[in-house]
Amino acid sequence: QQQVKQSPQSLIVQKGGISIINCAYENTAFDYFPWYQQFPGKGPALLIAIRPDVSEKKEGRFTISFNKSAKQFSLHIMDSQPGDSATYFCAARGGGGSNYKLTFGKGTLLTVNP
Amino acid sequence: GAGVSQSPSNKVTEKGKDVELRCDPISGHTALYWYRQSLGQGLEFLIYFQGNSAPDKSGLPSDRFSAERTGGSVSTLTIQRTQQEDSAVYLCASSLQVDYGYTFGSGTRLTVV
Repeated sequence: QQQVKQSPQSLIVQKGGISIINCAYENTAFDYFPWYQQFPGKGPALLIAIRPDVSEKKEGRFTISFNKSAKQFSLHIMDSQPGDSATYFCAARGGGGSNYKLTFGKGTLLTVNP
Repeated sequence: GAGVSQSPSNKVTEKGKDVELRCDPISGHTALYWYRQSLGQGLEFLIYFQGNSAPDKSGLPSDRFSAERTGGSVSTLTIQRTQQEDSAVYLCASSLQVDYGYTFGSGTRLTVV
């Protein structure tokens, strides 16, 4: 059972455009939703995160939108740049007894063309 | 150190051999995690260490996998009698406390031939 579903698998955007990646979750006990950015040969790096009591969080060109009732959240990258080309993973952290464990989506390969 | 250090960065081994993967977490980070990243898949939780508490081993895929953490710092993930399906990138992460974000290492790419 895949608890965090991520789409699309790949995305091509022109420089200056908006990149949008979506995730949906099933477990209502999740209490923390981070996004990670991964470049080839490197480990994932925390990009931005949100908790379910907030509907939106913005850091620079990166924004998370969170819809608790729909159990969905999304990453928006404004003014996308070629340097943003990477794989992006959404994740959710379990509440209750496993509040340390992250469940990841399968990733989105973003390509930003110059 | 400044980041999470993993060694080796690449490992090619023959089917049936044992391998050891090492992780040096960020100094002072009490929580340590191992995840596995297979081609085209997300990251799969393997094991979690927190201080002197008993580790959560619930993500280990079989009894061929084991891990230890010595002195609350360095961790070793051991895979015995490796199989081709064990081929993946093994990622280690640490955090200051459970409720803080993870910092991942660059991983060990394991190839079983």
